[in-house]
Amino acid sequence: DVKVTQSSRYLVKRTGEKVFLECVQDMDHENMFWYRQDPGLGLRLIYFSYDVKMKEKGDIPEGYSVSREKKERFSLILESASTNQTSMYLCASRTGGSSNQPQHFGDGTRLSIL
Amino acid sequence: QQQVKQSPQSLIVQKGGISIINCAYENTAFDYFPWYQQFPGKGPALLIAIRPDVSEKKEGRFTISFNKSAKQFSLHIMDSQPGDSATYFCAASANYGQNFVFGPGTRLSVLP
Repeated sequence: DVKVTQSSRYLVKRTGEKVFLECVQDMDHENMFWYRQDPGLGLRLIYFSYDVKMKEKGDIPEGYSVSREKKERFSLILESASTNQTSMYLCASRTGGSSNQPQHFGDGTRLSIL
Repeated sequence: QQQVKQSPQSLIVQKGGISIINCAYENTAFDYFPWYQQFPGKGPALLIAIRPDVSEKKEGRFTISFNKSAKQFSLHIMDSQPGDSATYFCAASANYGQNFVFGPGTRLSVLP
């Protein structure tokens, strides 16, 4: 079974802090994704990565950056956290090539910015 | 054109009833339509998926119906159980891209 592990289930940070969310997958997947999930808005794509050291902006990249130095690890960075970034953050991975493969999700990090 | 619309936003069904969730899309390039199930405190998990070359796919109590001409697809849960209470997301992707577009979700409650 694919396992996508997010380092923290709950995180509380202060406005202006730099926040790192970590995600690791164990299936050698090429593609990795970061989403935020808010009630009534579903899953919105922040950033994704096709491969190591590659990154692409999703639908809502403002205020975020990412890092993918190793294939199994994809980090989401909030450069200067703000209260409107309080949300559930979900990481996903998928094998590359055809899109006809599902994404596999971690259990999420619930981030609160005070 | 990249949106996937989903309805209803919430659904309450009696145990043993049929739950139906509908999705619609505009982008005719979409060629893969998965449904995800999410329980509280967990990430979404793939439930069932369909490609547009078939009109229906069934796995146990879960069935996807696909209408290519209307650009609509739906999830039917037969004999709904309290354990099916979760949020359901439809999604779509196109072969030329790596991304999925998700619907806003439907919160299903199955009453015992």
